[in-house]
Amino acid sequence: AQKITQTQPGMFVQEKEAVTLDCTYDTSDPSYGLFWYKQPSSGEMIFLIYQGSYDQQNATEGRYSLNFQKARKSANLVISASQLGDSAMYFCAMRFAGFQKLVFGTGTRLLVSP
Amino acid sequence: KAGVTQTPRYLIKTRGQQVTLSCSPISGHRSVSWYQQTPGQGLQFLFEYFSETQRNKGNFPGRFSGRQFSNSRSEMNVSTLELGDSALYLCASSVSGRARDEQFFGPGTRLTVL
Repeated sequence: AQKITQTQPGMFVQEKEAVTLDCTYDTSDPSYGLFWYKQPSSGEMIFLIYQGSYDQQNATEGRYSLNFQKARKSANLVISASQLGDSAMYFCAMRFAGFQKLVFGTGTRLLVSP
Repeated sequence: KAGVTQTPRYLIKTRGQQVTLSCSPISGHRSVSWYQQTPGQGLQFLFEYFSETQRNKGNFPGRFSGRQFSNSRSEMNVSTLELGDSALYLCASSVSGRARDEQFFGPGTRLTVL
C-alpha cells in the first residue's frame, strides 16, 4: 500500500532557528516523486520542494532542503532560519510515474514564535 | 501569469441539493486534478482530467463527478449532498501530468452542507 506518515502533529520553533519536519513513506514502486507543500490558513497549497526517487542529490530550494534517505524511506523537510511567515500546515506527498494522484500525509502544523 | 482560479470560494448548500464547482487552470496546463480536504480524512484525491478525458479516479461514490472542457477548464459536480461532503475542495493543474510535473493548486472552494 502507498502511504505517507507524518508523526509530528505540531512543531514549535523560534524565529531564525532551523526545524526538521519528518516524513516517511511506504511503497514498493521504484519510481516515485516526493513533494512538500505549505498550507497557510487561507487554504491554498503552496509547492515547496520536490525529490525524485532516482535523484542522487538532496533537493534544495532557498531555505528549504529535503533530507532524502531512500533506504529508510524518509524524506524530511528542513527549514533553515525560520520566519514568522513560515507558520502554517506542512504536507508531505508522494506521486507515482504515470499518475497525477498525490498521496498526502496528515500534515504537521508549524508555529514560529518571535 | 495568472494562477489557478476556483469559483466560488465559499458555498453553503443543504442536504439533498447538488453543487457545481469550477476550476480554471494556469494557461497552457492540460491536466487538472481535484482533491477533497476534511479534518477527519485529510486530503484525498478525487479525479484527474487530461485533454477532456478522466485518467485517474479516487475512491469516492458516483455522486462525485467531473468534466473538462476543450479550454482545460474543469468542473466538479456533487449530487445529493450529504453533511459529510462539507470540505475544502482543491483544484490543481499541471502542464502534462508527468510524475515530475509540479502541481499548482488553487485557493479552494469551501463547501458547507447544512
